[in-house]
Amino acid sequence: NAGVTQTPKFQVLKTGQSMTLQCAQDMNHNSMYWYRQDPGMGLRLIYYSASEGTTDKGEVPNGYNVSRLNKREFSLRLESAAPSQTSVYFCASSEARIIRIDTQYFGPGTRLTVL
Amino acid sequence: AQSVTQLGSHVSVSEGALVLLRCNYSSSVPPYLFWYVQYPNQGLQLLLKYTSAATLVKGINGFEAEFKKSETSFHLTKPSAHMSDAAEYFCAVIRNTGTASKLTFGTGTRLQVTL
Repeated sequence: NAGVTQTPKFQVLKTGQSMTLQCAQDMNHNSMYWYRQDPGMGLRLIYYSASEGTTDKGEVPNGYNVSRLNKREFSLRLESAAPSQTSVYFCASSEARIIRIDTQYFGPGTRLTVL
Repeated sequence: AQSVTQLGSHVSVSEGALVLLRCNYSSSVPPYLFWYVQYPNQGLQLLLKYTSAATLVKGINGFEAEFKKSETSFHLTKPSAHMSDAAEYFCAVIRNTGTASKLTFGTGTRLQVTL
């Protein structure tokens, strides 16, 4: 049981390049999330998927797109990377059976640098 | 809107001393509050959560937190710090809207434990 896995662990891009961050969970969770973590700002929600086949914007969605490929996988795409997207990206998942006390499980993160 | 504020971005304690990490919440409805811990170069993991069943919540690794409605606080404590407690700690509140649990995080408190 690997939990939440993310690939790659590290990535360096040039401004304008595109890339996709991959996330998979093996806990049969319904909901999945993408966050970015910046120094002094905590984690901010980029996009989430409440269930397979649905996606919604979070607090900071500009410059990103997502795909919920199936129940296990949720990818985050940067179409044209900008230096402001330099950050650590975390994927999380949750059962979402009782929303108000739902526990999210986090992956190890992807450290992205955009030059 | 529901939010949390963590007082003190850095806290330093001696090994064996009391750990106190502060979190205050702002919410117009009963909040559901969480503490997550992030060890260096890892993702976040749940320490404990307040689900309204009891105001004193016990978590993993000897941590506990007390929900005080009169003070709008949910401070994290541990009687005796250990070197392995050095990490970043995040308070979070669930925004209970729709069908997914959207967490709003505080800005984090980095705990340093010295000999």
